Amino acid sequence: QKEVEQNSGPLSVPEGAIASLNCTYSDRGSQSFFWYRQYSGKSPELIMFIYSNGDKEDGRFTAQLNKASQYVSLLIRDSQPSDSATYLCAGYEGGTSYGKLTFGQGTILTVHP
Amino acid sequence: DAMVIQNPRYQVTQFGKPVTLSCSQTLNHNVMYWYQQKSSQAPKLLFHYYDKDFNNEADTPDNFQSRRPNTSFCFLDIRSPGLGDAAMYLCATSRSRTQPQHFGDGTRLSIL
Repeated sequence: QKEVEQNSGPLSVPEGAIASLNCTYSDRGSQSFFWYRQYSGKSPELIMFIYSNGDKEDGRFTAQLNKASQYVSLLIRDSQPSDSATYLCAGYEGGTSYGKLTFGQGTILTVHP
Repeated sequence: DAMVIQNPRYQVTQFGKPVTLSCSQTLNHNVMYWYQQKSSQAPKLLFHYYDKDFNNEADTPDNFQSRRPNTSFCFLDIRSPGLGDAAMYLCATSRSRTQPQHFGDGTRLSIL
């Protein structure tokens, strides 16, 4: 069973701080990784994807991928109360499960004013 | 705007009464997925279609079936819903099996 593990939550940060969300994966064949934001009762919304080692920045969000350590992270700078949500890390499996996106269990982020 | 549309947003059915959920997309994506998500859990993949090629997850109950009559539409049929099938059902699409998946708003299914 291929696994994606997210750091234990919930995570609470003050407004304006950096929120750091972390994820490890077991399938070395995984090549593509995604971060989704999910508000309560809503569907997942794609916020970042990363395929190569290193950092990828988009506005206040930075995704980091380290394939040697099998580690993916998401940094949210200048956190806002509207960032309060569950964040799901996901990666595509390789091999016989090609095309299957495996999700982590999610990290609940609360940004308090 | 190109998007993934699920209907209905809320569906209530009786125990054992068949129900069909629908999904349409204007993204012209090759791959369509159906997920089940229960409260405080990650989405669980039920099926996916790569074009017309159907892929069924090993642990998807036989009670669940899917149809994709054309590129734009996909349906989830639950033949005899049980109380345990109450969940949010999510449809997603992607250009290929390594590209980002884009989700519809979901259908919240309740079983009486």
